[in-house]
Amino acid sequence: DAGITQSPRHKVTETGTPVTLRCHQTENHRYMYWYRQDPGHGLRLIHYSYGVKDTDKGEVSDGYSVSRSKTEDFLLTLESATSSQTSVYFCAISESGGFWAQNTEAFFGQGTRLTVV
Amino acid sequence: KQEVTQIPAALSVPEGENLVLNCSFTDSAIYNLQWFRQDPGKGLTSLLLIQSSQREQTSGRLNASLDKSSGRSTLYIAASQPGDSATYLCAVTGGGADGLTFGKGTHLIIQP
Repeated sequence: DAGITQSPRHKVTETGTPVTLRCHQTENHRYMYWYRQDPGHGLRLIHYSYGVKDTDKGEVSDGYSVSRSKTEDFLLTLESATSSQTSVYFCAISESGGFWAQNTEAFFGQGTRLTVV
Repeated sequence: KQEVTQIPAALSVPEGENLVLNCSFTDSAIYNLQWFRQDPGKGLTSLLLIQSSQREQTSGRLNASLDKSSGRSTLYIAASQPGDSATYLCAVTGGGADGLTFGKGTHLIIQP
C-alpha cells in the first residue's frame, strides 16, 4: 500500500467552526489531491497541488483552502464549516500529472469522515 | 467538461460467473484510465491503469480494455467470487479536466 495517512479519520464539528484535515505521504510524490465523496455525486476534486506552495482549484473549491509547505503534507481547511460540507474526504497522490501522468497511478488514503452539525 | 458514466449502477450475480462492467467518457483526449475498487467505509484501491496508447491491461482475473476513440472502457472479471463484492470505480485523467474525473461506480454483489 502507498504510504498515505489521513488525519483525523473521523470528526464531528459544529457549523461555523474552522476545520483542518491533514494528508501525509511517505512516497515523495509531487502531486497531491483532495476529493470529497457524496452519495449521488461520486468523487469530486476540491483542490490539488503540483509542488510545494503550488496549488490550484478543482471542481468544488468554494469554502475550502489548502496549503502545502512540505512535499509530504497537504492540508485542507474549511474556514467556516457548513452542513453541506458533511462528506467523506479523500487524499490522493501521484508522481506526475497532466500529459506526464500517462503511466502514473493515483493512490488514495483511507478517508476522513467529517460531520458538520 | 469531461463526464464519466458507469453502467450498470448495481449488479448482483451468482458466484462463478464472468461479468463485464462498463465505463464511458465524453472527451477522448485522455492521458489514462484507471479502475479502482472501494469496499464499504474504506479508501480506493487501484486495480488497473491503462495508458491512452494501450488497448488493454490484465491483472489476475481482471482484464480492462480501452477504446479511446469511442470513449469506452470495460472491466472484465472472470470466475467471480464473493470477495469481489465491492464498488468499482472508473476514472480518467485529461480530457480538459484537472486530476481524475470519476464515474459514480458500479456496486457489485457476488452471491455465494
